Amino acid sequence: GAGVSQSPSNKVTEKGKDVELRCDPISGHTALYWYRQSLGQGLEFLIYFQGNSAPDKSGLPSDRFSAERTGGSVSTLTIQRTQQEDSAVYLCASSPGTRDIQYFGAGTRLSVL
Amino acid sequence: GQQLNQSPQSMFIQEGEDVSMNCTSSSIFNTWLWYKQEPGEGPVLLIALYKAGELTSNGRLTAQFGITRKDSFLNISASIPSDVGIYFCAGRGSGGSNYKLTFGKGTLLTVNP
Repeated sequence: GAGVSQSPSNKVTEKGKDVELRCDPISGHTALYWYRQSLGQGLEFLIYFQGNSAPDKSGLPSDRFSAERTGGSVSTLTIQRTQQEDSAVYLCASSPGTRDIQYFGAGTRLSVL
Repeated sequence: GQQLNQSPQSMFIQEGEDVSMNCTSSSIFNTWLWYKQEPGEGPVLLIALYKAGELTSNGRLTAQFGITRKDSFLNISASIPSDVGIYFCAGRGSGGSNYKLTFGKGTLLTVNP
C-alpha cells in the first residue's frame, strides 16, 4: 500500500507478557517515529529513527520498551513484561526526511489485562 | 520541556456553525501543524504553517501561525457532520531535537446534523 502500515491493528495481552508491534513506513521515507496515545491524551513521542544514525530513544518510558529498524525500513516496537498502564494506541509515522511532514499509520490498540 | 495547551477540550455544535480552536505554547515554535484524527485511524495532516503571521486555508479550514510564535488557531466554517473527529495541534521548535513534534491533547468535535 501507499501509506504507513501497522500490525496488528489490535492486540490484547496478559500482564507480564511481551508484545511486538510492527510498522511498515512509506517506501523511501528515511525518518520513522513511534508515538503513544493514551485515552484523552495527545501523542507522546517515544523514539525516532533517521537513516543510519543512532536513534533518539529519549521518549521511551522505561527499559521494558525497545525498538529496532531493520534495513532502514520496517520497525518493530517491543514491550517486555507488559503492565496495565502500557494500554494505549501506539502510532507509527514516517517522513521523507527530518523536519518533513509526518504521515501516520492507523495505530495498534494495545490492551493489557 | 515544551508544553502545548489546546482548547477547548471538546465542542458540541450544530451543523452549519463555525468552529474555532487554539493552541498556546510555553516556548517558541518554528512550525505549527494541525491534524485531524477519526476513530480507528491515525492523525491526518490538515494544514502546515511555517512562518509567524502566516494565514493558510484548506477549503473550509483556516489556520494562523501567531505573531509571537507561541500560538496558533484553527477555524472551521460552516461545519458538516463529517467534520467530527479529534483535532490536534502540533508544534516543532528549533535546536538539536527539531525533528520532534509536541502535540496538544486534542479538541473533540461533535457536529449535530
